[in-house]
Amino acid sequence: GAVVSQHPSWVICKSGTSVKIECRSLDFQATTMFWYRQFPKQSLMLMATSNEGSKATYEQGVEKDKFLINHASLTLSTLTVTSAHPEDSSFYICSASDRSSYNSPLHFGNGTRLTVT
Amino acid sequence: KNQVEQSPQSLIILEGKNCTLQCNYTVSPFSNLRWYKQDTGRGPVSLTIMTFSENTKSNGRYTATLDADTKQSSLHITASQLSDSASYICVVQPHNTDKLIFGTGTRLQVFP
Repeated sequence: GAVVSQHPSWVICKSGTSVKIECRSLDFQATTMFWYRQFPKQSLMLMATSNEGSKATYEQGVEKDKFLINHASLTLSTLTVTSAHPEDSSFYICSASDRSSYNSPLHFGNGTRLTVT
Repeated sequence: KNQVEQSPQSLIILEGKNCTLQCNYTVSPFSNLRWYKQDTGRGPVSLTIMTFSENTKSNGRYTATLDADTKQSSLHITASQLSDSASYICVVQPHNTDKLIFGTGTRLQVFP
């Protein structure tokens, strides 16, 4: 079945540094990918919709200059957390669909655990 | 406001027993309702997808039902296994949009 690969699975960084997270669709082309963050014992919160070849669409309250999204190809989207702070520590998850229909399964990556010290 | 609420928040059952998780939603109109399983520290995995016109869908020991009139869905797990311990998330896709609305999840723990 369709697979979405997310890398790295975990990362620890110092406050003030930037971290890049990659999301790849391995066996299908994804014109749209989604980025979520998830706090402990809470559900996924959509951060932004990443569109191949165009600017990402951010949800209300998500700083676009802090969470940079690049969707340069049909199989790769990246999320860069710039000038990370401890409050950015969270579980970040991406998802993608082959968009064959609105009822197509949405495939999720296995997430990236970010810890900012 | 579109909402998806799940109950119970958490559930503990013994291995081999059945259980049913509930999902109530206010999203209307909607394209489909999905159930996902999320293991701790992992991404969600799709269990079932039902369009607004479907009433039930099965995937092995998982059976989802949908009542679009009462805006309720349930996920029934038969003969639970230890590996069923996870969070189960009900997700509704509104009509004409890619944005999914996630429920708060039910944390299921299966003990031997």
